Amino acid sequence: GQNIDQPTEMTATEGAIVQINCTYQTSGFNGLFWYQQHAGEAPTFLSYNVLDGLEEKGRFSSFLSRSKGYSYLLLKELQMKDSASYLCAVSRGGKLSFGAGTTVTVRA
Amino acid sequence: EAGVAQSPRYKIIEKRQSVAFWCNPISGHATLYWYQQILGQGPKLLIQFQNNGVVDDSQLPKDRFSAERLKGVDSTLKIQPAKLEDSAVYLCASSLVGGFSTDTQYFGPGTRLTVL
Repeated sequence: GQNIDQPTEMTATEGAIVQINCTYQTSGFNGLFWYQQHAGEAPTFLSYNVLDGLEEKGRFSSFLSRSKGYSYLLLKELQMKDSASYLCAVSRGGKLSFGAGTTVTVRA
Repeated sequence: EAGVAQSPRYKIIEKRQSVAFWCNPISGHATLYWYQQILGQGPKLLIQFQNNGVVDDSQLPKDRFSAERLKGVDSTLKIQPAKLEDSAVYLCASSLVGGFSTDTQYFGPGTRLTVL
């Protein structure tokens, strides 16, 4: 199955932390990617997880639980420029299936 | 390193007309992808090339869409004839090898198509 679920919208305050959850069906799973997409622009790669656990890259961290079909992206010390859509994508044999994206709005 | 290039950036056509999009992947990337992204949705894979061969075109509406990647570098995606529901952003992406779980795809800026 290809169902990938993530919340539609989230709002947070500058300097705060936001966690974006993503759930997916586990059949044929190889890895999970997170992309950031600003309005009108192309998706840009943020992180990927192949094994269970937490991957940290600066202000962004991504977590994966393969047995639960669950991932989250954690954005710390939010900045105004972090306002964007965040796409969760499941890799199966190198092919990506994307969720609909979570629009994060950062308020001053 | 130059990124994925696409042209045109915007295109407006009337239904039943034809349109073509061009993509130049990152130098040395063997795999090229075309995605369709409808407003409010995530990108949906249309076709994947490995060098100049098609790996997956299961979601390409072959009655109106066609794509080619001659010489294993540049690619063109064509729609003929266009329908209203084809209005979307068409994204091209490339990856170094393809077929591996950790092979990162890099996206071009996309072509925004409006069909009137």
